[in-house]
Amino acid sequence: AQSVTQLDSQVPVFEEAPVELRCNYSSSVSVYLFWYVQYPNQGLQLLLKYLSGSTLVESINGFEAEFNKSQTSFHLRKPSVHISDTAEYFCAVSDIRGSQGNLIFGKGTKLSVKP
Amino acid sequence: KAGVTQTPRYLIKTRGQQVTLSCSPISGHRSVSWYQQTPGQGLQFLFEYFSETQRNKGNFPGRFSGRQFSNSRSEMNVSTLELGDSALYLCASSLLTRGEQFFGPGTRLTVL
Repeated sequence: AQSVTQLDSQVPVFEEAPVELRCNYSSSVSVYLFWYVQYPNQGLQLLLKYLSGSTLVESINGFEAEFNKSQTSFHLRKPSVHISDTAEYFCAVSDIRGSQGNLIFGKGTKLSVKP
Repeated sequence: KAGVTQTPRYLIKTRGQQVTLSCSPISGHRSVSWYQQTPGQGLQFLFEYFSETQRNKGNFPGRFSGRQFSNSRSEMNVSTLELGDSALYLCASSLLTRGEQFFGPGTRLTVL
């Protein structure tokens, strides 16, 4: 079985400051890793994913995450946040042997960007 | 290309009733998954369908059921509603079972 821990439920930060949202996972098997973002009253959007290869993955809007197998972590970072990044962010894993239609999510981190 | 659509967007029911939620995947997508989102439990996997077959099921009571039709549209049903079933129910579709999931806006169910 897998589990995902997002260490911070809320992260307030000022605009243009850097941010890191932490994610740790536990699994007895190899997993794929994902970050999703949810804006108010909307569904989830995939931000980035790690399936294999380079451990550093990037999104088109400046976020990046690094897969660290030894620390079982997949922290999300952005060097300079914008007001529009205010949203809830979810880390998720899926068993590489199974389908990706069965995602295990963390509890989420609410990022609040202040002017 | 139209995204995943879910109907209705909002629903109010009373305890003991049953409810059916609908999900239309992106055209061409054959895999549909359902998730329940609540403030207390977060996002929890309900079930996954591919080509009309249930492939995976989460840890939910038998009151929660689903099905997928030949056109890949999916429905989930909750019978004998309880207050704790109040949640946002999200549907996600993907081209294949190992593809990226695209989420719909969700159906917000309130049980009174």
